[in-house]
Amino acid sequence: KAGVTQTPRYLIKTRGQQVTLSCSPISGHRSVSWYQQTPGQGLQFLFEYFSETQRNKGNFPGRFSGRQFSNSRSEMNVSTLELGDSALYLCASSFGRYSGANVLTFGAGSRLTVL
Amino acid sequence: GDSVTQMEGPVTLSEEAFLTINCTYTATGYPSLFWYVQYPGEGLQLLLKATKADDKGSNKGFEATYRKETTSFHLEKGSVQVSDSAVYFCALSDNNQGGKLIFGQGTELSVKP
Repeated sequence: KAGVTQTPRYLIKTRGQQVTLSCSPISGHRSVSWYQQTPGQGLQFLFEYFSETQRNKGNFPGRFSGRQFSNSRSEMNVSTLELGDSALYLCASSFGRYSGANVLTFGAGSRLTVL
Repeated sequence: GDSVTQMEGPVTLSEEAFLTINCTYTATGYPSLFWYVQYPGEGLQLLLKATKADDKGSNKGFEATYRKETTSFHLEKGSVQVSDSAVYFCALSDNNQGGKLIFGQGTELSVKP
């Protein structure tokens, strides 16, 4: 079965712009989580959505937002881009909410470069 | 708060050498523990997991045992291959926090023929 699909894979933006990233989870998976990966900060949790509701949020400014649709697909948005937002953004899906029983499956990521 | 500490890399080994990557954690509850691997240009792949103390996770020759007394989850492999070259991440999940994983900083492994 198809894995987690993230689009676009690569994008370049300039400071002050906004960006929207998309994630299609594995069919049947209802939970989607987002992570930011940078060389300096490593992998950091952004937020989690389950049944179209944000269930958990990491320590990121309000410029970072997301949503989940009824088909479980998710988007994240970053407004007023800063240079420090350059990162690999990873989406992960799982059947349920609890990682102990429901392992996260990650997509290949969307690499954002802010100039 | 919860945290994960991994040994720093890069780690360079010759093919067929023994591998250990140390991982220790701090958690208030009883987390599940994971090792993920990231190959160049790709996302993370689950390598193995353990959900309670003394559990041993294993996959593709890799093993790790959940040691509550030492708060550790060290990754081992008896004989590495060139194809094992990647970045390895130790992670924990508080079972009440849903899809939130806390990752270590990652350890880059390079295996030379």
